Amino acid sequence: DAGVIQSPRHEVTEMGQEVTLRCKPISGHDYLFWYRQTMMRGLELLIYFNNNVPIDDSGMPEDRFSAKMPNASFSTLKIQPSEPRDSAVYFCASSVRGRGAEIEAFFGQGTRLTVV
Amino acid sequence: DAKTTQPPSMDCAEGRAANLPCNHSTISGNEYVYWYRQIHSQGPQYIIHGLKNNETNEMASLIITEDRKSSTLILPHATLRDTAVYYCIVGKWGAQKLVFGQGTRLTINP
Repeated sequence: DAGVIQSPRHEVTEMGQEVTLRCKPISGHDYLFWYRQTMMRGLELLIYFNNNVPIDDSGMPEDRFSAKMPNASFSTLKIQPSEPRDSAVYFCASSVRGRGAEIEAFFGQGTRLTVV
Repeated sequence: DAKTTQPPSMDCAEGRAANLPCNHSTISGNEYVYWYRQIHSQGPQYIIHGLKNNETNEMASLIITEDRKSSTLILPHATLRDTAVYYCIVGKWGAQKLVFGQGTRLTINP
């Protein structure tokens, strides 16, 4: 398997524009996570899905952020409108529950978003 | 979820064992200890996890104290490629949520 695939790897956009980040989880994984990483706040969990259903979106910072998972092999994180403070690296991760409910999450390479 | 405390940074000589401590004094009985690491500009990578017994895999060993209030990740023969930020995370059994703290920045010196 190619692992978790995120696109684009880099995105530069102007303030006020809509930004869509994409993620393809590992086949067979039933959990998908979106994280955001900045120097100031570290790695923050934004939202996670189980079997395509959002389970916990308490980390989504504002209504400008939305995430969807229309099927088991694709998820999007959308920011509309974008602001400079949204600049960060956004990671997608997927996992499957192990025998002992351990959490081995596999992360993608991330999307570096810059809003100017 | 229980909080964890880790030193912000550590140094280790190449070839030596790197011992990374983590304090999780409020851990409850159904919470696992997980270790992940993040090499510069990459996504975090799973290393190992444990409940109450010591664990070992091809990457590292995890030593959990008997009272489970602290643990140590051991990289037996550290290499330059082990330079990374190491995160100790406590997560509930059956829950898939991983909350990352600030971690320990480990630097392996030649």
